Amino acid sequence: AQKVTQAQTEISVVEKEDVTLDCVYETRDTTYYLFWYKQPPSGELVFLIRRNSFDEQNEISGRYSWNFQKSTSSFNFTITASQVVDSAVYFCALGDDKIIFGKGTRLHILP
Amino acid sequence: GAVVSQHPSRVICKSGTSVKIECRSLDFQATTMFWYRQFPKQSLMLMATSNEGSKATYEQGVEKDKFLINHASLTLSTLTVTSAHPEDSSFYICSAKASVNTGELFFGEGSRLTVL
Repeated sequence: AQKVTQAQTEISVVEKEDVTLDCVYETRDTTYYLFWYKQPPSGELVFLIRRNSFDEQNEISGRYSWNFQKSTSSFNFTITASQVVDSAVYFCALGDDKIIFGKGTRLHILP
Repeated sequence: GAVVSQHPSRVICKSGTSVKIECRSLDFQATTMFWYRQFPKQSLMLMATSNEGSKATYEQGVEKDKFLINHASLTLSTLTVTSAHPEDSSFYICSAKASVNTGELFFGEGSRLTVL
């Protein structure tokens, strides 16, 4: 069975601090995709990244970076120099078509 | 990027009535669409997979007679919540898989249902 665990339910940091959101997954599939989505208070899901299981390179996009460690089944997400607008719920997800979501981490960036 | 639109974005209805939510892929064809439900402060749970021209496949525990899904065209899937009750109040989100190219998945903006 597939499973995504986001152990951090809620995190609060002061603006400009770096913050890492953890994600651990379980799957028996040899090929799969990992995702991160942002859900602001308005509710819509904002796509952040999709990573193929064969691509273990870390990725950086502006203030966002992702660390994929297949050996530990983790796909952690780091926001550097956090901003108030980063406040949202962040979901890690696993799958291809049918996506299994983690429970989400609610991130509060305090001014 | 590709756009998936849901309508209505918010709906309030009385208990016992039926509500239809539409999910449209605006600039691409989607043979497969997915419906998710999200209760307040919880994660998204997959309800069903909607395939164009065939019956939907429901996840375990989802009542197919209560949540009717129709995927009549390559750009439209509908979710009808029949005889809605207050416990059906939730945020419903659809996603659509592009039929060609990378087969990427795109999410709609979601529809918030409140049943009084």
